[in-house]
Amino acid sequence: SYVLTQSPAVSVAPGQTARITCGGNNIGTISVHWYQQKPGQAPVLVLYDDSDRPSGIPERLSGSNSGNTATLTISRVEAWDEADYYCQVWDISGDHPVFGGGTKLTVL
Amino acid sequence: QVQLVESGGGLVKPGGSLRLSCAASGFSFSDHYMTWIRQAPGKGLEWISYISLSGDAMYYAESVKGRFTISRDNAKKLLYLQMNSLRAEDTAVYYCTGDGPYCSGASCFSWWGQGTLVTVSS
Repeated sequence: SYVLTQSPAVSVAPGQTARITCGGNNIGTISVHWYQQKPGQAPVLVLYDDSDRPSGIPERLSGSNSGNTATLTISRVEAWDEADYYCQVWDISGDHPVFGGGTKLTVL
Repeated sequence: QVQLVESGGGLVKPGGSLRLSCAASGFSFSDHYMTWIRQAPGKGLEWISYISLSGDAMYYAESVKGRFTISRDNAKKLLYLQMNSLRAEDTAVYYCTGDGPYCSGASCFSWWGQGTLVTVSS
């Protein structure tokens, strides 16, 4: 089964840029999706197909995907951004979705 | 406005059964793949099952295969998860999700319910 690796935690000061990575074997060849989850709430899709934003998601959130790493970049970080972030892909060999372990973003 | 509302969670003893339901509204239910995803307390997200548009194809994670059954009633706009032979490790919040406008098949999940908690304990 395809494995996605995320760093457990990232900390950033308000106004700075946060980068949350998702590692996987040749992940650059498949689409990556990202979810934001705040405590006690359901996850929310914030990026799909590597870098597309659903309606209502701020332009400060962007994504890239190349080689063995996909990255969710959050510019001008705000307190609102503090949450857990999960990457997700489709495992072609297993014919099912796969999630990364999640990254907790702390806004200092 | 899209809504997914789960119900049926609760406390059950190991080896017991529960049936979760998810009531969908605000979209054409029969046009969308539906998926159950769970999250154990303090843990990450785990996909467990998805079902095709007509309900004729179902897929399961190895952790629940043979114990859980997903189904849908397109006329009633309902998604179900029958859970049998429950174990302590099945304790989690169970989310009903739909592919929605940004995803195809079960490739990703635009829509999420609020979740229902299942606790397996003696």
